[in-house]
Amino acid sequence: KNEVEQSPQNLTAQEGEFITINCSYSVGISALHWLQQHPGGGIVSLFMLSSGKKKHGRLIATINIQEKHSSLHITASHPRDSAVYICAVGSGGSNYKLTFGKGTLLTVNP
Amino acid sequence: SQTIHQWPATLVQPVGSPLSLECTVEGTSNPNLYWYRQAAGRGLQLLFYSVGIGQISSEVPQNLSASRPQDRQFILSSKKLLLSDSGFYLCAWSRVPANVLTFGAGSRLTVL
Repeated sequence: KNEVEQSPQNLTAQEGEFITINCSYSVGISALHWLQQHPGGGIVSLFMLSSGKKKHGRLIATINIQEKHSSLHITASHPRDSAVYICAVGSGGSNYKLTFGKGTLLTVNP
Repeated sequence: SQTIHQWPATLVQPVGSPLSLECTVEGTSNPNLYWYRQAAGRGLQLLFYSVGIGQISSEVPQNLSASRPQDRQFILSSKKLLLSDSGFYLCAWSRVPANVLTFGAGSRLTVL
């Protein structure tokens, strides 16, 4: 079974700061997902990646398959970025399953 | 475009009462459908997934069940709720198993 560890668990930043959230997993995967959960509970998928790097606006996700590690970066952070960020790893081909990390609570203060 | 609806958003139920959460997807056909639970302080846990009508796979033993009576409808049920069933339940869909998940808004269940 894959173990997914996220760090830090909690992160407080000032508006404008560069944010990094880390995710490590124990077993080889097909893909890694980054999700964002807002205070109301709704979850939005941010990225799905299996190699390299993806960028969407101020968000950047990278993955190192050899090191079994991924990072989510937020440039020029803003209070509206405050949310729980969840890493999930998927494997299994046709029997694809996701294993989720416990999430990182990000608070960006104005 | 595709949308996913989940209801009710919030419910408070006594122990031993039945449960029915419903999820529907619009704008796509033959989606893969999932029910997840998020208990306090824990990561998301997959409860059930379905790749087609009437095809349900259960991930964890529990007193919950799922059904897929129509292609784009996924229902989570219980005949008798336990205190431990409290949590945040999320329905999700994807085009194929290894693809981006789209989540519903979630249903917060409190069992008293």
